[in-house]
Amino acid sequence: GAVVSQHPSWVICKSGTSVKIECRSLDFQATTMFWYRQFPKQSLMLMATSNEGSKATYEQGVEKDKFLINHASLTLSTLTVTSAHPEDSSFYICSAGTGAGILNQPQHFGDGTRLSIL
Amino acid sequence: DAKTTQPNSMESNEEEPVHLPCNHSTISGTDYIHWYRQLPSQGPEYVIHGLTSNVNNRMASLAIAEDRKSSTLILHRATLRDAAVYYCILRDVRSSNTGKLIFGQGTTLQVKP
Repeated sequence: GAVVSQHPSWVICKSGTSVKIECRSLDFQATTMFWYRQFPKQSLMLMATSNEGSKATYEQGVEKDKFLINHASLTLSTLTVTSAHPEDSSFYICSAGTGAGILNQPQHFGDGTRLSIL
Repeated sequence: DAKTTQPNSMESNEEEPVHLPCNHSTISGTDYIHWYRQLPSQGPEYVIHGLTSNVNNRMASLAIAEDRKSSTLILHRATLRDAAVYYCILRDVRSSNTGKLIFGQGTTLQVKP
């Protein structure tokens, strides 16, 4: 089955540091990837949609300058949390789809990255 | 995006069937019904999806009401590993949509040994 790999699985860093999270589709080409954030005891919140070769589309209330998304290839999207602060501590999850033309197919999720900012 | 309503939590005994309900009274003709589940500290996992007809796969069955305003995910024999949060999500397949999934609160399923 389709596999999405997310790296790192957890990271702890100091306030003010920028952190990059990678999301890779291992056995399929992902024209569209999605980034979610999840706080403890809450549901997943969609942050942005990234399309290969174009700018990401951010959901309302998500700061695009704070959460930089790059989708430079069909198998890799990255999320960079710039100048991270304790309130950015969360569980970040990516998912990948095969494109707008096959929307009835499942999305495939990574195992998430737990980010802790001290 | 059309919304879904699920019970906050349900309990089941191990090796018994579980029926997880979902209401989606405002569903449109282009919405597929998707189910995902999330085990603790993991990303969501696809379970099953359907449009109008009932669907079966190795993980579960999906029963869709004739008017499509509700559906039920059926786990035929619950195991302890099925304890998770189950999300019922409508996904619009129109070409203008990116295919993004909007998660509600889901149903937390507890399985008792």
